[in-house]
Amino acid sequence: NAGVTQTPKFQVLKTGQSMTLQCAQDMNHNSMYWYRQDPGMGLRLIYYSASEGTTDKGEVPNGYNVSRLNKREFSLRLESAAPSQTSVYFCASSGLARGRWGETQYFGPGTRLLVL
Amino acid sequence: SQQGEEDPQALSIQEGENATMNCSYKTSINNLQWYRQNSGRGLVHLILIRSNEREKHSGRLRVTLDTSKKSSSLLITASRAADTASYFCALLTSYSSASKIIFGSGTRLSIRP
Repeated sequence: NAGVTQTPKFQVLKTGQSMTLQCAQDMNHNSMYWYRQDPGMGLRLIYYSASEGTTDKGEVPNGYNVSRLNKREFSLRLESAAPSQTSVYFCASSGLARGRWGETQYFGPGTRLLVL
Repeated sequence: SQQGEEDPQALSIQEGENATMNCSYKTSINNLQWYRQNSGRGLVHLILIRSNEREKHSGRLRVTLDTSKKSSSLLITASRAADTASYFCALLTSYSSASKIIFGSGTRLSIRP
């Protein structure tokens, strides 16, 4: 099992460009998450999905959109990148049971994004 | 803020010594988890303790939870070089939503050989 995979690993964007971060998990989890991690700070939740077809905003959703394409995949899109979105982005998944939060999360390796 | 506050922010100890890091919070919780993050990697789950539990062990890890003081501690015994990493607590304040999972800012642990 690969667990949680993310692509790309590193990306440089110019202000105003768009891009999609991809995430996939092979653990048959229902819940998936997108976080950002900034220096000296913990993870902040951007969006999450309790199951395929549903998505909800987290703590810092502005400037982002998500798609839960199927049970395995959860993508994060930056429509018009800004320097403030320079960060490390982590995807995670959890939960064999729907609607249960606070279970162990499994994280991908992260995508390092630099917006110039 | 409901965010977990971790203390210390950084800790450097000699290999073989014990490392203790703390997480304090301001609201009631359903459970608390500890995660480890090696440099440049994703977070890895270490241990989960529920609000009705006071202590849990996993190998060289010992976690305590004091809900009256709203604090938790993670003890790593007989530290090794491989324990060098950042450690985060994550609080679940409600089962109603994933947005109720709050991560602390972390403790950076360095183990000196």
